[in-house]
Amino acid sequence: DVKVTQSSRYLVKRTGEKVFLECVQDMDHENMFWYRQDPGLGLRLIYFSYDVKMKEKGDIPEGYSVSREKKERFSLILESASTNQTSMYLCASTMGQGLNQPQHFGDGTRLSIL
Amino acid sequence: AQKITQTQPGMFVQEKEAVTLDCTYDTSDPSYGLFWYKQPSSGEMIFLIYQGSYDQQNATEGRYSLNFQKARKSANLVISASQLGDSAMYFCAMRENTGGFKTIFGAGTRLFVKA
Repeated sequence: DVKVTQSSRYLVKRTGEKVFLECVQDMDHENMFWYRQDPGLGLRLIYFSYDVKMKEKGDIPEGYSVSREKKERFSLILESASTNQTSMYLCASTMGQGLNQPQHFGDGTRLSIL
Repeated sequence: AQKITQTQPGMFVQEKEAVTLDCTYDTSDPSYGLFWYKQPSSGEMIFLIYQGSYDQQNATEGRYSLNFQKARKSANLVISASQLGDSAMYFCAMRENTGGFKTIFGAGTRLFVKA
């Protein structure tokens, strides 16, 4: 069965810390995505990657960076965490460029910045 | 402007009844795909059903069907014979051919199934 694994379900960090969220997929998918989910706003795309070492900004990249050194792993980095980055973070992956390819999601990380 | 609009923040349905969750979308791209996802309280997003803009038939997957009205730009999800396990958030999403890899999500509808 296909699997997207996020390293933590719950995470509590302090303002100003550098925070790493890790995501690993075992489906050999080319494309990987990071979203944040907030009530009433749905999912908003932070960054995505369509190949190793390639990355593209999504709709809300400010305050975040990403790293994709290996095909299966896509990391989201909060350079200096702030309270407005408290949110649910979802990682997803897809195969290829077909319009009909659904996203496969991890279980999400609930991040609280104190 | 919102590209995906889900106007129902919350819905209640009696167990075993059918329910329709609304979704309207906005695009000028003739080629696009529409998706519905389910998110239970545990958090994981589960893909339910897909409809392509050129598909002639409405998509169906088990108890899920998509009422696709292209001219009205609506893609409503119909769940037949609701079950308690259907209680969850439901998201409508769209991917445009000209949008590259991006998928746009609506704000979601929370469905409550009553016993």
